[in-house]
Amino acid sequence: GAVVSQHPSWVICKSGTSVKIECRSLDFQATTMFWYRQFPKQSLMLMATSNEGSKATYEQGVEKDKFLINHASLTLSTLTVTSAHPEDSSFYICSAEGGPYNEQFFGPGTRLTVL
Amino acid sequence: DAKTTQPTSMDCAEGRAANLPCNHSTISGNEYVYWYRQIHSQGPQYIIHGLKNNETNEMASLIITEDRKSSTLILPHATLRDTAVYYCIVRVVGAANQFYFGTGTSLTVIP
Repeated sequence: GAVVSQHPSWVICKSGTSVKIECRSLDFQATTMFWYRQFPKQSLMLMATSNEGSKATYEQGVEKDKFLINHASLTLSTLTVTSAHPEDSSFYICSAEGGPYNEQFFGPGTRLTVL
Repeated sequence: DAKTTQPTSMDCAEGRAANLPCNHSTISGNEYVYWYRQIHSQGPQYIIHGLKNNETNEMASLIITEDRKSSTLILPHATLRDTAVYYCIVRVVGAANQFYFGTGTSLTVIP
């Protein structure tokens, strides 16, 4: 149980295009999901907290107009990187909160490369 | 901001116990200690968590000091597949609270 999937697992795009990443909780409902970014050889950095049916809460320094988050259902949150640039190339990981102790269950990550 | 400090890296011989320390000297009374690990290019995997009592599951044991200012994750018989970055995180349980990851410990299990 408690499986979280991400799609796509990797994507390569041209600079200036927008990319959408999906995060799904497959066997449980998640009111809250989280989005992280991880650069090579660095730790995970929390970008935003996504709450079903309401606006996401962004961490300081994360541009909400560039990283659009939508949490339209209890099993799906999407992250759209708008007008992507090479510096947005990173490993994007989502997690969904669930279980009796509000654990976070992480997806496998999406590798974004912007050319 | 991360509220934990861990050694940057550790080695462990295959088959031996791996003991990974974590300092969380500013932990609050209602904060739990969580451990996750991340194998290269994958999402983090939950290992174990605890409040003040020692905990054990099929993956590991968690030893928390009496003053709760530090803890140790123990992998009793390390295998090559345990090579990963291990993160110690403190957070309050019950609300939608964020995880702030520190730098973690890169554990290498040596044959």
